[in-house]
Amino acid sequence: RKEVEQDPGPFNVPEGATVAFNCTYSNSASQSFFWYRQDCRKEPKLLMSVYSSGNEDGRFTAQLNRASQYISLLIRDSKLSDSATYLCVVNRGYSTLTFGKGTMLLVSP
Amino acid sequence: GAVVSQHPSRVICKSGTSVKIECRSLDFQATTMFWYRQFPKQSLMLMATSNEGSKATYEQGVEKDKFLINHASLTLSTLTVTSAHPEDSSFYICSAPIQGLGNTIYFGEGSWLTVV
Repeated sequence: RKEVEQDPGPFNVPEGATVAFNCTYSNSASQSFFWYRQDCRKEPKLLMSVYSSGNEDGRFTAQLNRASQYISLLIRDSKLSDSATYLCVVNRGYSTLTFGKGTMLLVSP
Repeated sequence: GAVVSQHPSRVICKSGTSVKIECRSLDFQATTMFWYRQFPKQSLMLMATSNEGSKATYEQGVEKDKFLINHASLTLSTLTVTSAHPEDSSFYICSAPIQGLGNTIYFGEGSWLTVV
């Protein structure tokens, strides 16, 4: 089983749609969790950290379920500029990050 | 602005030559930096952990004699791809955590290596 698994993509949605990404991780000792965004041929950029209590940042909501080892990201009211690859990232300790393969999102007019 | 700077952003080299990629932390000291590699449509894979003043720690399957890492100062780590081959063509990216800010991790801009 891969350390971090994500929904295979791509997700094609119209502007304004709500889209959800799922991610599971295998190492129960993982310490912290993140969603990164990566644009084509660019470095990943932190979108948001993920907490057990759930957290929201504008149109983005992230959830963590430690018991199920499951992480989610919800994007509401999708914009064209949201088109990117979304990476589920797990910190296994000492700032060592393990990346999922990423799920590509394509938002169309 | 960038807090981690990587150079060069793109490099093309001939097969058999060596290429050095630099990763600099700007305005903060990084005792640890990380080097990743990303092949097309694949996830970022950790290659090694670069430790200032000591040897790098390599992930399983990464050849330490081929991918030389030097972390000679608190703001600079270098990755040298020795005797490069076309299969080494990839996106190489470094990252560094900023201690004391929840260990927020910042990435360099990445370096595209093409070996011809």
